[in-house]
Amino acid sequence: ETGVTQTPRHLVMGMTNKKSLKCEQHLGHNAMYWYKQSAKKPLELMFVYSLEERVENNSVPSRFSPECPNSSHLFLHLHTLQPEDSALYLCASSQEGGQTQYFGPGTRLLVL
Amino acid sequence: DQQVKQNSPSLSVQEGRISILNCDYTNSMFDYFLWYKKYPAEGPTFLISISSIKDKNEDGRFTVFLNKSAKHLSLHIVPSQPGDSAVYFCAASALKGNYKLTFGKGTLLTVNP
Repeated sequence: ETGVTQTPRHLVMGMTNKKSLKCEQHLGHNAMYWYKQSAKKPLELMFVYSLEERVENNSVPSRFSPECPNSSHLFLHLHTLQPEDSALYLCASSQEGGQTQYFGPGTRLLVL
Repeated sequence: DQQVKQNSPSLSVQEGRISILNCDYTNSMFDYFLWYKKYPAEGPTFLISISSIKDKNEDGRFTVFLNKSAKHLSLHIVPSQPGDSAVYFCAASALKGNYKLTFGKGTLLTVNP
């Protein structure tokens, strides 16, 4: 695998479910990001991890819980989501302090 | 308040001609600008970037121009090819290490054979 990978690519879940999104980067980077892209809206930054520490939480509801166990892996744990949370969730990585981010293919999430 | 604006939701161009995609920004602290290309069902792919100390950066068929006084940047693709058809996002950041990229809403480019 090369670049940034995300699993699953598609996810349908009910409002009471708990699920996790996974991201892995094979670029040797040490900063990782979660973004949300809703229909007709710009990409919105959710979380930033640099050197495995969370450095940014962009006013995201607590039903989204990130985890970064090491510099190559990033998770987004989901619980009791709302239908308005349906969106494309994108993971990205960069060098710490680098301004160019590289994105994964995204997880298309549908909350019923 | 949108700090990065792409006012054209779509653009259609003939193959072989020039495509010009525009982006405006309001935050004068932005000092690094990027263009990403996105195909359906894929994540954004980094295309080209420019630092605020430059006014032009070129990479093959792609050139980005930055006009700091007008807070405007543009991406030129010449010659345009059908494979360039995608959504193009403009993004900006302030200060190295700031981590935050602010994105525009994107412009759908269609290159007709």
